[in-house]
Amino acid sequence: GENVEQHPSTLSVQEGDSAVIKCTYSDSASNYFPWYKQELGKRPQLIIDIRSNVGEKKDQRIAVTLNKTAKHFSLHITETQPEDSAVYFCAASAFNDYKLSFGAGTTVTVRA
Amino acid sequence: DGGITQSPKYLFRKEGQNVTLSCEQNLNHDAMYWYRQDPGQGLRLIYYSQIVNDFQKGDIAEGYSVSREKKESFPLTVTSAQKNPTAFYLCASSKGGPNSYNEQFFGPGTRLTVL
Repeated sequence: GENVEQHPSTLSVQEGDSAVIKCTYSDSASNYFPWYKQELGKRPQLIIDIRSNVGEKKDQRIAVTLNKTAKHFSLHITETQPEDSAVYFCAASAFNDYKLSFGAGTTVTVRA
Repeated sequence: DGGITQSPKYLFRKEGQNVTLSCEQNLNHDAMYWYRQDPGQGLRLIYYSQIVNDFQKGDIAEGYSVSREKKESFPLTVTSAQKNPTAFYLCASSKGGPNSYNEQFFGPGTRLTVL
């Protein structure tokens, strides 16, 4: 089955700086890569996703890049703000697959 | 917030008792899922259902049971056989079906505490 590894497990950044979270996956059939943000005690929220027919996708201050050859994808948050503090999860899935394989999560803390 | 509801928000149970967690969605999604999250941990799949009257075990199904009698509902029963049931339980749904990506949306969760 699919195995998704996520690094780092914790990340502390100064407000205004950028944050980068990296994930690797094992199954070459995977072609859907969502990112979820979970605030303390809340549900995970889908913030951005990328499909294998593109290498990069942006939405305001967040962007995701995908390297299918190397089997890794990354989340980039620019100009971080205190409200970006949360746990971020990456995941991977193949088209028509009903299961998402999640990374272990990255706790991001934005220091004011 | 995605049209998925879970109840109750908090649940307390005595050891040896079964308890059922509710999950309802009005998104007309075919697929539904149950995850368990322990403090500081990731999401572990308990059960999932692709369609009504069908479901499959996930990675940690022991001590849990589910049913899928209606498209909108996917209740989870935590049985007395589950040795460490205290956790945050999250339900999710996705459109499912052929030619689709697995875009899952989560409910608000139920925090279960065994006393």
